[in-house]
Amino acid sequence: GAGVSQSPSNKVTEKGKDVELRCDPISGHTALYWYRQSLGQGLEFLIYFQGNSAPDKSGLPSDRFSAERTGGSVSTLTIQRTQQEDSAVYLCASSLVWDGSYEQYFGPGTRLTVT
Amino acid sequence: QQQVKQSPQSLIVQKGGISIINCAYENTAFDYFPWYQQFPGKGPALLIAIRPDVSEKKEGRFTISFNKSAKQFSLHIMDSQPGDSATYFCAASFGGGSQGNLIFGKGTKLSVKP
Repeated sequence: GAGVSQSPSNKVTEKGKDVELRCDPISGHTALYWYRQSLGQGLEFLIYFQGNSAPDKSGLPSDRFSAERTGGSVSTLTIQRTQQEDSAVYLCASSLVWDGSYEQYFGPGTRLTVT
Repeated sequence: QQQVKQSPQSLIVQKGGISIINCAYENTAFDYFPWYQQFPGKGPALLIAIRPDVSEKKEGRFTISFNKSAKQFSLHIMDSQPGDSATYFCAASFGGGSQGNLIFGKGTKLSVKP
């Protein structure tokens, strides 16, 4: 079946602009995660959604970052007033349930470059 | 505060050799320890995982060794092949429904020379 898809695959934006990154999880997966991968920094947790529960936003680095998940499926990560330090690959993952021991399936990521 | 520390940053191994990557964690409440493999331009993919109630898990050429008292775990790749060249991430989570996100190490870039 189809895996996790993300769009766009690449995004170049000017400092100060807002960007939206999209994630389509695997159908039927109730948990959705966003991570950020910076060079030499590994993968950094940003936010996750489980069903209709309030999202866990504990990893968001600043209030310029926000995310929503509509209808328990598609998610959008929004970065307002982008800064150069926001340049990274943003990865989305989904899993059957939110239990940390369930396999998380990752999308290919969106590479964001802020100039 | 880095909760999962991974070493080495990079590793070069000859074809047929053994690749060993080590991780150490701080929080004893972690109870699920996966390894993810990532190829360039792709998202990470689960390779193998272990819970702390066992000391070793083997799947094909890949083995996780787990030392609960030392709070360390390692990935061993036997008979390493050029196709294993990738970046490997160890991770930890609070499995069992308490918190779903993974906490990753910073990764090890493995190159297997033919």
